[in-house]
Amino acid sequence: DTAVSQTPKYLVTQMGNDKSIKCEQNLGHDTMYWYKQDSKKFLKIMFSYNNKELIINETVPNRFSPKSPDKAHLNLHINSLELGDSAVYFCASSQAGTGGETQYFGPGTRLLVL
Amino acid sequence: DAKTTQPPSMDCAEGRAANLPCNHSTISGNEYVYWYRQIHSQGPQYIIHGLKNNETNEMASLIITEDRKSSTLILPHATLRDTAVYYCIVKGGSEKLVFGKGTKLTVNP
Repeated sequence: DTAVSQTPKYLVTQMGNDKSIKCEQNLGHDTMYWYKQDSKKFLKIMFSYNNKELIINETVPNRFSPKSPDKAHLNLHINSLELGDSAVYFCASSQAGTGGETQYFGPGTRLLVL
Repeated sequence: DAKTTQPPSMDCAEGRAANLPCNHSTISGNEYVYWYRQIHSQGPQYIIHGLKNNETNEMASLIITEDRKSSTLILPHATLRDTAVYYCIVKGGSEKLVFGKGTKLTVNP
């Protein structure tokens, strides 16, 4: 059983297209995240949702719009794709509690914009 | 910006202990030390975390100095599958995870 799953695993598309990446977690966690890892391997947070509410929104272009239909899902929709959007996108989830908070990551979606 | 400093790379022989250091001299009292790793082409994987006491789990041990300004992640018997980038992260309760450049650990046969 995959705790955090993402689809698709690979996504190749043309500039200007609109695409979505889906994420699901079966851990019962309240918080979900999207991270972007660029070609230089820097991993940076983009968004965080807690119980379907946006709590972290880094300086991400508004072409990126996360949507959380329920607390087990956090999808990422990207409009008007640009070359610079090519990266690996990771979804993660966590459950806050005493003693710290552990994040569990999905396998990643490799996006290539041509 | 990451609040930690790690060596960019380390090597370890298979079967030996891998000791990965991390400096976090500006850590606050309520901040935990977390270790994650990223094996090539995979998502980051949680390893261990601690506040001030040493911690051990099935993957590793975490040794935190008494002043909490540095820590060491210990993989007791490194295998080839432990080759990865290891990230030491300092984080308080609701703060976001900030990944630095990490340490690229190569386990050699």
